[in-house]
Amino acid sequence: TQLLEQSPQFLSIQEGENLTVYCNSSSVFSSLQWYRQEPGEGPVLLVTVVTGGEVKKLKRLTFQFGDARKDSSLHITAAQPGDTGLYLCAGLETGANNLFFGTGTRLTVIP
Amino acid sequence: DAGVIQSPRHEVTEMGQEVTLRCKPISGHDYLFWYRQTMMRGLELLIYFNNNVPIDDSGMPEDRFSAKMPNASFSTLKIQPSEPRDSAVYFCASSFAAQGRGTQYFGPGTRLTVL
Repeated sequence: TQLLEQSPQFLSIQEGENLTVYCNSSSVFSSLQWYRQEPGEGPVLLVTVVTGGEVKKLKRLTFQFGDARKDSSLHITAAQPGDTGLYLCAGLETGANNLFFGTGTRLTVIP
Repeated sequence: DAGVIQSPRHEVTEMGQEVTLRCKPISGHDYLFWYRQTMMRGLELLIYFNNNVPIDDSGMPEDRFSAKMPNASFSTLKIQPSEPRDSAVYFCASSFAAQGRGTQYFGPGTRLTVL
């Protein structure tokens, strides 16, 4: 079983602050996805990173894939209450069709 | 286009009863996944299908769990008999291989409570 460890597990910050969430594994992935899940709903895909070292930006969110394609980070600038949710990283191994999901980071942004 | 549809949204049953969860994937998608989510174990893959054929059921916890996909637009996950430890949120997701195997669309989930 592949293990994707996310840190921190819980994060509570004030509106306007910056934060970084980490996703680490000992396995190499052909791609890595970040999903966000809100209460009572299923996860929704935010981004996919494929190339080692790749950086993608989605408005105030910046995603980076590690050079060795084993880890990733998500940085949020000037967090807003609408960013509140469970953030999940998910890795896809080469040749595989199923995702391995991380342990999750539960973010709360306080107005 | 409608997203992934799951029913029921909530299910409360007593231990020993049979439970059937239903899923309608997005039209045209060729992969369907069943997941279970709990606070303790996070999001776990139970089984997935490709073109209606089960490919990997290694995540199915016990023989009490079974899944079928009789056609491209319908799948069921059945638990018989149910136990309190089966209480969780069950998600169905679908994907289209050409769009990238990491791009999955999740349904709203079925919250199962076994008393």
